[in-house]
Amino acid sequence: NAGVMQNPRHLVRRRGQEARLRCSPMKGHSHVYWYRQLPEEGLKFMVYLQKENIIDESGMPKERFSAEFPKEGPSILRIQQVVRGDSAAYFCATAPGNTGNTIYFGEGSWLTVV
Amino acid sequence: QKEVEQDPGPLSVPEGAIVSLNCTYSNSAFQYFMWYRQYSRKGPELLMYTYSSGNKEDGRFTAQVDKSSKYISLFIRDSQPSDSATYLCAMKYSSYKLIFGSGTRLLVRP
Repeated sequence: NAGVMQNPRHLVRRRGQEARLRCSPMKGHSHVYWYRQLPEEGLKFMVYLQKENIIDESGMPKERFSAEFPKEGPSILRIQQVVRGDSAAYFCATAPGNTGNTIYFGEGSWLTVV
Repeated sequence: QKEVEQDPGPLSVPEGAIVSLNCTYSNSAFQYFMWYRQYSRKGPELLMYTYSSGNKEDGRFTAQVDKSSKYISLFIRDSQPSDSATYLCAMKYSSYKLIFGSGTRLLVRP
């Protein structure tokens, strides 16, 4: 997991607030994936991005959720107007290419909505 | 029916035991198979990756794939308390999207 940096590691938000989760890929990696893990469940794919492009957002809820990976800076997963059901661990994973079979996960951001 | 099924456990074994972890899947298009280990409140760590039927060994770990039965396994020999974690199987088609099992929690008792 070394190299994929996620912050914040823990975030508490009240219902209705916004949550912003950041992911800095490993050096040389230009492909970013976001996964969500609910308690006692496996990881669910949310979105796949390359620099400045969203390639696949089929796992992302249609409302309140958005993701970006700008030319400069980290990838951002943004959740607007959070609800209790958004409480989960959000993992970023990165890879050097889209067919790479090895993707590396960060340590995750734990969001708690109170 | 889920694409990937994995027994959640927990699986409790004594130190030194051989551990067998398994996943079944329904989509014959899956070509690449991985096992990840996840400690509590940590990110998943890739343990094994394979793309063909048969066995692949790495130290105390052996990954086994049986595409005809749509069944994959991870064996851990000489299990240690430090192996206590959740083990996630993952698989994908030729593209990028990994599909994960729900994970099996393993406890190795000293």
